Formats: sequence, C-alpha cells, structure tokens
Amino acid sequence: DTAVSQTPKYLVTQMGNDKSIKCEQNLGHDTMYWYKQDSKKFLKIMFSYNNKELIINETVPNRFSPKSPDKAHLNLHINSLELGDSAVYFCASSQELAGIEFFGPGTRLTVL
Amino acid sequence: GQSLEQPSEVTAVEGAIVQINCTYQTSGFYGLSWYQQHDGGAPTFLSYNALDGLEETGRFSSFLSRSDSYGYLLLQELQMKDSASYFCAVRSYTGGFKTIFGAGTRLFVKA
Repeated sequence: DTAVSQTPKYLVTQMGNDKSIKCEQNLGHDTMYWYKQDSKKFLKIMFSYNNKELIINETVPNRFSPKSPDKAHLNLHINSLELGDSAVYFCASSQELAGIEFFGPGTRLTVL
Repeated sequence: GQSLEQPSEVTAVEGAIVQINCTYQTSGFYGLSWYQQHDGGAPTFLSYNALDGLEETGRFSSFLSRSDSYGYLLLQELQMKDSASYFCAVRSYTGGFKTIFGAGTRLFVKA
C-alpha cells in the first residue's frame, strides 16, 4: 500500500513551460508539505498545508503555486520554469503535532 | 535564524559503531529528528527526540540535549546497507509547524 505517492516520477521540460506535480497521501494525516532537494542534496521546505489551509510559505517565488483540494492531496504548479528549478521535489505528510514526516518517492524535474 | 550543523562525511567499517553529531540554532524548538536517504530514494524517518535523553530503536539510537542544542545519531553493528545520507532535522513552531533539515552526513561503510 502506497502511503505518499507523487506523479510524475520524472519531468523533463523546456525553460518557460508550465508544469504540475501531484501528490496524494492515504495515511489520514492533516498536514502536507512540499520540499525541494537540490543537486547538493540540501532539502528545503517550500510549503506546508494543514487541513487544506496554507500554513508555511518559505519565500518561494510566486511562480510556484500549491493547491490542496482536500487534506489528502497537495499539488504543485510551476509557471515559467527556469533552469534553477531543476531539482527533486518531495511531497511529505504528517500529523501536525507529531515529529514524523512520511515522504513520497520524489519527482525529478529537469529544465532544459 | 535557524541553522543546523552536522559533518559532511563519515567513513566506518562493517560491524563498527558510528556517531553522527548535530548542533542546531532555532526558535520555537519542538524536537530533533533523524532521516536516512539512500541515493535515488526518498528520506525515511529514523527517530525523533522531543525530550532530553536517549531513544533506542534496534541498531539505531538518538540522543538529545536541549540545553546544549545538541543531538546525535548512533548506529551500531554497521552494515553495508547503512551507507546513505543521514539528515538531522529540527521541528519548530513559528506560526506553524515546520521541519528544517541539516545539510546531511554521507556515511560510507567499508567491508
């Protein structure tokens, strides 16, 4: 049984395009996150949502727009892709008060 | 601001014990977590300390001293499959819960 799933696993696209990544969790958690991991493996939080409400926005450019249609889903739309957006994007979920986050398998985005 | 420091690389032999240290600076501290990530994989949770002391889970143990803003991950009876990156991460509350990750420690286990 998949706990946190993301699609697609790989995304290769040209600069200037718009793309979306989808995330779903079946753990019943109330909080979901998007993280970006760069080529040096530095893992940085981008957004967190609690019960569909945006809680944390870590000064991410507004080309990145998360959307949470319900507490089991958190999607990420990226407009006008830039070379620097190339990274692995991880979705994660947790219960808000717990210290354990469960990560999805990641989406490797390559912008050419 | 928030910052974490951990060694960038550690090398050890199979069967040995290795300790990965982590020091942190943060406001709104709630707890310290450890995650393991193999190349090409996702971070997976190992342990979480909210209170001072040692937490043991099988071959892995984690320690926290809140007064020293310090923690460590102890891996015993090292196996080749333990070769991975290990991240310490601070869970804090500043208007919402968030987890800030350290830069990771690459562990190489040699035969």
